[in-house]
Amino acid sequence: QQQVRQSPQSLTVWEGETAILNCSYENSAFDYFPWYQQFPGEGPALLISILSVSNKKEDGRFTIFFNKREKKLSLHIADSQPGDSATYFCAVATGGNNKLTFGQGTVLSVIP
Amino acid sequence: EAAVTQSPRNKVAVTGGKVTLSCNQTNNHNNMYWYRQDTGHGLRLIHYSYGAGSTEKGDIPDGYKASRPSQENFSLILELATPSQTSVYFCASGDPGGGDTQYFGPGTRLLVL
Repeated sequence: QQQVRQSPQSLTVWEGETAILNCSYENSAFDYFPWYQQFPGEGPALLISILSVSNKKEDGRFTIFFNKREKKLSLHIADSQPGDSATYFCAVATGGNNKLTFGQGTVLSVIP
Repeated sequence: EAAVTQSPRNKVAVTGGKVTLSCNQTNNHNNMYWYRQDTGHGLRLIHYSYGAGSTEKGDIPDGYKASRPSQENFSLILELATPSQTSVYFCASGDPGGGDTQYFGPGTRLLVL
């Protein structure tokens, strides 16, 4: 079964707009939520992460909003740049076991 | 910075043949992972390891074996390759003490004919 769902599958925004990528999960035991960024031909790399004790995490232009009750989170990319064009994966884990379950990814395209 | 390398980067194999994918990490991380990436499925965990000599089954282990002969090296073995195993394979390393971050290699593109 799909434990982690991401939407939309693909997203196109203009440069300068805010891109919003969504993620939902099923198991309330998950408490660690990283987002990974992947450029074509490369492996994924950690972008930003949040723990379930928080409802918001910011790192520059990237912000995670987390709703524990609804088991949903979103990644907001403010002032999107063409260099942000990549595939973004939401992942979940139970803290401490380092075993991630990934969503299917969202392909983001930022048009100059 | 974390360094994970994979070899080969590209591989063409025949159905029924044996394929070995290799991964090396210089981070001295205890944990290592093998994933496959397919369109529509994201990354799925095949096998992982907590240290030299240990291997654990991930979410989709069928048809794959793993070997961790040392802290630095982790191999994925397809004893009898099938076309359904055509995919991009990623190795990663991580250490729970390092905040759960996993560091990925550049991937191996495998085509089974």
